[in-house]
Amino acid sequence: DAGVTQSPTHLIKTRGQHVTLRCSPISGHKSVSWYQQVLGQGPQFIFQYYEKEERGRGNFPDRFSARQFPNYSSELNVNALLLGDSALYLCASSYSAGGGGGISPLHFGNGTRLTVT
Amino acid sequence: AQSVTQLGSHVSVSEGALVLLRCNYSSSVPPYLFWYVQYPNQGLQLLLKYTTGATLVKGINGFEAEFKKSETSFHLTKPSAHMSDAAEYFCAVSDDYKLSFGAGTTVTVRA
Repeated sequence: DAGVTQSPTHLIKTRGQHVTLRCSPISGHKSVSWYQQVLGQGPQFIFQYYEKEERGRGNFPDRFSARQFPNYSSELNVNALLLGDSALYLCASSYSAGGGGGISPLHFGNGTRLTVT
Repeated sequence: AQSVTQLGSHVSVSEGALVLLRCNYSSSVPPYLFWYVQYPNQGLQLLLKYTTGATLVKGINGFEAEFKKSETSFHLTKPSAHMSDAAEYFCAVSDDYKLSFGAGTTVTVRA
């Protein structure tokens, strides 16, 4: 079975631009979470969606938004990009509603490397 | 809020030596604790997790971790390091909808 797939793998944008990152969960998984990993740091939680409903949001500005589609795939949108948005963006999927991985484990994709110049 | 602290940002071990990575947690309720590994240019792979029950948790690739409530610790060990263990390791604690990760420990293995 295919794992979590993210596209694109790499992206270069200019400050002030907008970006859309995409994630396809493992087949049968209904929960998708997004994390931002700045170089040299641990991943930081951005959003969790389950059955197309937002269940959790991390401490990120309103420039960050996301949605989940009927097929459970997801998009992360970032507006008005800043240099500090340069990071690896990770998507994770799980079967159950809990995005913390306590009941059913989180499966991570390989991420999208975003560089803002 | 639940959080974890990883002690030591870099660990260097000889091949065949013990690997010990330290993690302390802060939680007001019994925590769910995890160790993940990240290889270069890849996502995170679950090594092991503690939910309830046995305090010694065995994971993949020969790793194990012990939950010690009295010390609020969840240290990761492997008796004998292999070159393929060179990676970055993250401790994490979960609540309902998210994981909170430590800053990570980079492991290098010397031949």
